[in-house]
Amino acid sequence: ELQLVESGGGLVQPGRSLRLSCAASGFRFDDYAMHWVRQAPGKGLEWVSGISWKSGIIGYADSVKGRFTISRDNAKNSLYLQMNSLRAEDTALYYCARDTSSNIFGGMDVWGQGTTVTVSS
Amino acid sequence: DIQMTQSPSSLSASVGDRVTITCRASQGIRNDLGWYQQKPGKAPKRLIYAASSLQSGVPSRFSGSGSGTEFTLTINSLQPEDFATYYCLQYNSHPHLTFGGGTKVEIK
Repeated sequence: ELQLVESGGGLVQPGRSLRLSCAASGFRFDDYAMHWVRQAPGKGLEWVSGISWKSGIIGYADSVKGRFTISRDNAKNSLYLQMNSLRAEDTALYYCARDTSSNIFGGMDVWGQGTTVTVSS
Repeated sequence: DIQMTQSPSSLSASVGDRVTITCRASQGIRNDLGWYQQKPGKAPKRLIYAASSLQSGVPSRFSGSGSGTEFTLTINSLQPEDFATYYCLQYNSHPHLTFGGGTKVEIK
């Protein structure tokens, strides 16, 4: 069974850091690009960041560029999102999602259930 | 960056109706567009890729069309399980992706 399980969310103060993780199973992780997508409470979907299969291609939304860092460990079948200098507007449910391609982003076809990040003092 | 404008933001329809949702791209994106369905409390589910290709397992009442800057998702004969929020996603501006703002389909 294809599965993505996110973890690492929680309540954090503005300006602090948090690291999200996504554990993949049921498919060959290193064959696919991966993404983080978030959804603020009551709002729409926002693509956050994506990374190609060998980490050679990485992209970020303007809203997180310079603060968030995406990475992956293919040996551990895991995707990460290091989030620094967090702001209240980063409060959201963060989804991990698999791309349909390895090196050219082609959209997501498998999603996790998400992990919630709340930024508040 | 490419902006995706989705309309309408919400609509009310009845079971059996035909529903059309539109996404417009701020610049041409060929057919690099997908459509997603999201139900409350659930992760999104891909319905359409490459603007008009139906994802495996998705009912044939869903269809997509368009190319360039204007795209349409059509649901023929709306079913009770289709009441949800729908999003378009452009993936032409690799490595930057953009979702549309979403369309909530509600029961009339």
